[in-house]
Amino acid sequence: NAGVTQTPKFQVLKTGQSMTLQCAQDMNHEYMSWYRQDPGMGLRLIHYSVGAGITDQGEVPNGYNVSRSTTEDFPLRLLSAAPSQTSVYFCASSFGSHTDTQYFGPGTRLTVL
Amino acid sequence: GNSVTQMEGPVTLSEEAFLTINCTYTATGYPSLFWYVQYPGEGLQLLLKATKADDKGSNKGFEATYRKETTSFHLEKGSVQVSDSAVYFCALSLMNTGFQKLVFGTGTRLLVSP
Repeated sequence: NAGVTQTPKFQVLKTGQSMTLQCAQDMNHEYMSWYRQDPGMGLRLIHYSVGAGITDQGEVPNGYNVSRSTTEDFPLRLLSAAPSQTSVYFCASSFGSHTDTQYFGPGTRLTVL
Repeated sequence: GNSVTQMEGPVTLSEEAFLTINCTYTATGYPSLFWYVQYPGEGLQLLLKATKADDKGSNKGFEATYRKETTSFHLEKGSVQVSDSAVYFCALSLMNTGFQKLVFGTGTRLLVSP
């Protein structure tokens, strides 16, 4: 049982490049989400999914796309990277009720030059 | 709106000192409350939680009580260790239009010296 896995761990991009951050979970969780962590701001929700084929925006969705074709995978796409997207990105999953624990991946540290 | 406020850090303590990290919240409805911990270079992991008023969550010597009357969920530990050095996040969870919405505080860094 690997829990929530994320790849890559580190990435450096140039402004305007695109890339996909991968996230997978093996706990059969319906709910998956992406957060970004910036100094002094805690974690902010980018996008989330309540099941395969269903996604929606969080509080900071601009510049990011998601899709959910399987229960296990929830990739995050940066369409045209900007320096403001330099951050640490975390994927999380849970069964989705408000009492449930969200399980986090180890994070991807992204730098956009 | 829904929000979580926790004390600014860093909190610097000597080993075996008593720890309190304050957390207060604003929420519509009846949230669940969580403390997550982030060790250096790692993702967040659940430390403890409480799902209704007056519940006490506890784990690894840490504890926090869900106080509805003061809208608080302060984290305490009687005797900290160097290995407790980490960033601690208070969070609330609500159901919002069918999904679990988790709202985080800004985090408090704890530094414990030998």
